[in-house]
Amino acid sequence: NAGVTQTPKFRILKIGQSMTLQCTQDMNHNYMYWYRQDPGMGLKLIYYSVGAGITDKGEVPNGYNVSRSTTEDFPLRLELAAPSQTSVYFCASRPGTGGGKETQYFGPGTRLLVL
Amino acid sequence: GESVGLHLPTLSVQEGDNSIINCAYSNSASDYFIWYKQESGKGPQFIIDIRSNMDKRQGQRVTVLLNKTVKHLSLQIAATQPGDSAVYFCAEARRDSSYKLIFGSGTRLLVRP
Repeated sequence: NAGVTQTPKFRILKIGQSMTLQCTQDMNHNYMYWYRQDPGMGLKLIYYSVGAGITDKGEVPNGYNVSRSTTEDFPLRLELAAPSQTSVYFCASRPGTGGGKETQYFGPGTRLLVL
Repeated sequence: GESVGLHLPTLSVQEGDNSIINCAYSNSASDYFIWYKQESGKGPQFIIDIRSNMDKRQGQRVTVLLNKTVKHLSLQIAATQPGDSAVYFCAEARRDSSYKLIFGSGTRLLVRP
């Protein structure tokens, strides 16, 4: 298993541009999450999904959108990039509930710079 | 400002010593706690977790202690090695909130050779 993969690794955007951050997991996990991490800080939840077709907002959803059409993929969309969205974005997934299934496994991250 | 967040609390220990990293969590209703290790340029890596019905859990060279009375979590690393140098985050979650993780601000561990 490749685990959680994210693309691209790094991207520079101009203010107002849009892009999609890709996240794929091959572990058949139901739950998927998007976090952002600002320099020297902990991660903050943007959006999450409990299964295909179901998404919900996290702590900092403004400026982002998500979709979950398949179990494997959970893309994060930035419609109008702003400098405040400069951050490192992490995708995570977990199997379910009980018996250690609560543990979230993280991808390697996408570093985004908005100028 | 932005520079405040760059100054993570730092714990410097001698190789071979034991390390203790502390964390205060915010929600008394949290029932699941987890420690992650994050190396530079990488995603968080699971270390150990503990449920609220436990006070202590041990793994390989690591122990997590939970004190619900004062909402405090600690991670003990035995015989600290250079490879343990990283930023460590605690996170809390609730079963009735889909186990969404709320992360603490992190502690940087530096291991001196």
